[in-house]
Amino acid sequence: DVKVTQSSRYLVKRTGEKVFLECVQDMDHENMFWYRQDPGLGLRLIYFSYDVKMKEKGDIPEGYSVSREKKERFSLILESASTNQTSMYLCASSSRDSRKNIQYFGAGTRLSVL
Amino acid sequence: DQQVKQNSPSLSVQEGRISILNCDYTNSMFDYFLWYKKYPAEGPTFLISISSIKDKNEDGRFTVFLNKSAKHLSLHIVPSQPGDSAVYFCAARLAGAGSYQLTFGKGTKLSVIP
Repeated sequence: DVKVTQSSRYLVKRTGEKVFLECVQDMDHENMFWYRQDPGLGLRLIYFSYDVKMKEKGDIPEGYSVSREKKERFSLILESASTNQTSMYLCASSSRDSRKNIQYFGAGTRLSVL
Repeated sequence: DQQVKQNSPSLSVQEGRISILNCDYTNSMFDYFLWYKKYPAEGPTFLISISSIKDKNEDGRFTVFLNKSAKHLSLHIVPSQPGDSAVYFCAARLAGAGSYQLTFGKGTKLSVIP
């Protein structure tokens, strides 16, 4: 069964803190993605990675960075958290095979920045 | 510029009736379309997809229709059940090798009334 695991379901941080969100997938997928979901705005892509150590900016990369040192793990980093980064963060993965271009999502991390 | 639009933020349907969720897109280079379903506090789950070479794809109670000339797709759920109450996202992928990103609509919240 497909599995994308996000390390935390809920997280509360203070403004200015460095925040790490971790995501692990067990499907040997090449591609991994980080989104944020906000009411009325849908899913917006922050960063994605199509291979180890490779990364591409999505639509809203400002204030975020990512790390992919191993194929199964993709980390999202908030260098200095701000209140406007309070959101639901979703990780996803997909195969490079274009016939199977379905993204599988984790359960999400609800981050509150106070 | 929003390339995938779900113009109805919400929809209410009686149990047993048909639910029709609509999605419009502007980019004619999209070649693959997906529908995701999302319950509160969970990640989106893949529901059904359709390639641009088809105009219909069916899976049980769910059918997706694609009208390329109108740049419009719709998801039909028949019969609707209370467990179908969720937010539904339409997503689209650009044609071309190495294209892994999906562009999501803002979602439609479906409520199925018992």
